[in-house]
Amino acid sequence: DTAVSQTPKYLVTQMGNDKSIKCEQNLGHDTMYWYKQDSKKFLKIMFSYNNKELIINETVPNRFSPKSPDKAHLNLHINSLELGDSAVYFCASSQDSGSDTQYFGPGTRLTVL
Amino acid sequence: SQQGEEDPQALSIQEGENATMNCSYKTSINNLQWYRQNSGRGLVHLILIRSNEREKHSGRLRVTLDTSKKSSSLLITASRAADTASYFCATDTSDYKLSFGAGTTVTVRA
Repeated sequence: DTAVSQTPKYLVTQMGNDKSIKCEQNLGHDTMYWYKQDSKKFLKIMFSYNNKELIINETVPNRFSPKSPDKAHLNLHINSLELGDSAVYFCASSQDSGSDTQYFGPGTRLTVL
Repeated sequence: SQQGEEDPQALSIQEGENATMNCSYKTSINNLQWYRQNSGRGLVHLILIRSNEREKHSGRLRVTLDTSKKSSSLLITASRAADTASYFCATDTSDYKLSFGAGTTVTVRA
């Protein structure tokens, strides 16, 4: 019954590695998002997809690449991980883009050593 | 840049008391939303107030919006231990995305 799910919940890895985080929503929503929450709890949008098309691409290093194979999935691939990438990453979805209520996943805590 | 800013950063109250937190924002909005985040969990939507509304209620929650002052407040009445969480305001700007503040951390003491 989970509306927005993410895997893995925890990810611990070494600097320089490449890793992926997966997100799936079963709400039938058209729009999905990736957010980064830093240690001070500040939540910043990274990407947004509407019907598999990229509509928001904030100033994010190009080491981060989102991929949306279909409307229900939005994955985040990160190349050459750096210490500063350590954070909690949240996936979210909404029926329409922007102004609509967003439903968040449980988060993935990424720790780069 | 950060659109919404919550105040205070942290709040500690006794169970049964009311908790009030404020959100200020910089540019005009279509709507403003409040979310709750329990420790180690994702954000949960609480309430949405549109720019043409001044007050909205949902259970023990009361939200006000003053567009002339670019501010909103969230009041939680008769707080419970389960209300311990961080509360975020999010504003919907014309570029169709939500901008979140850094949140107010509320601790309800038994």
